[in-house]
Amino acid sequence: DGGITQSPKYLFRKEGQNVTLSCEQNLNHDAMYWYRQDPGQGLRLIYYSQIVNDFQKGDIAEGYSVSREKKESFPLTVTSAQKNPTAFYLCASSIVGGNYGYTFGSGTRLTVV
Amino acid sequence: AQSVTQPDIHITVSEGASLELRCNYSYGATPYLFWYVQSPGQGLQLLLKYFSGDTLVQGIKGFEAEFKRSQSSFNLRKPSVHWSDAAEYFCAVGRNTDKLIFGTGTRLQVFP
Repeated sequence: DGGITQSPKYLFRKEGQNVTLSCEQNLNHDAMYWYRQDPGQGLRLIYYSQIVNDFQKGDIAEGYSVSREKKESFPLTVTSAQKNPTAFYLCASSIVGGNYGYTFGSGTRLTVV
Repeated sequence: AQSVTQPDIHITVSEGASLELRCNYSYGATPYLFWYVQSPGQGLQLLLKYFSGDTLVQGIKGFEAEFKRSQSSFNLRKPSVHWSDAAEYFCAVGRNTDKLIFGTGTRLQVFP
């Protein structure tokens, strides 16, 4: 079945370390997105990409980095510059120009210890 | 500015009661409209969507939503709530290549 896979489900990181969250889709979607979710704050866009080898900053890109070397993959790196990285991270994908909305992964919960 | 407002942060209903979750938007043109549901610790699942045509749209799990252009609203309804409907609900708007704009969500609690 087609879908989006995020891994790992839970991730623990020590302060000062970078960590990479995986997002893979087999839906043949052009666009992919990373959101951060904190209690009471809804979804905040970190980065998005509408085509391979191109991506744009969202509303809260500071302290994060991404790459889009393959259509299927859009990994997110949470760097040590991110002051408050503990959160729930959601990856999504969509057809560019389509009317179908986004398909979401099941999320990764990152905790800094 | 484009925005989505979900005025109710938290709603509590009794099982079997009817439900209406509010969504208001501000957008330059008639957008595409979506409702998503999120169970704790999970991703978002699409409940229903509106693009054009009939302003009353049916979705999964017995939900429906009505688009009212004059009120810039897209409220979600269900005639009889089940305990399994307890979750967080997000309204979203967008069009064509625009990124979706999400509301801040409404948390639904269902009492037996």
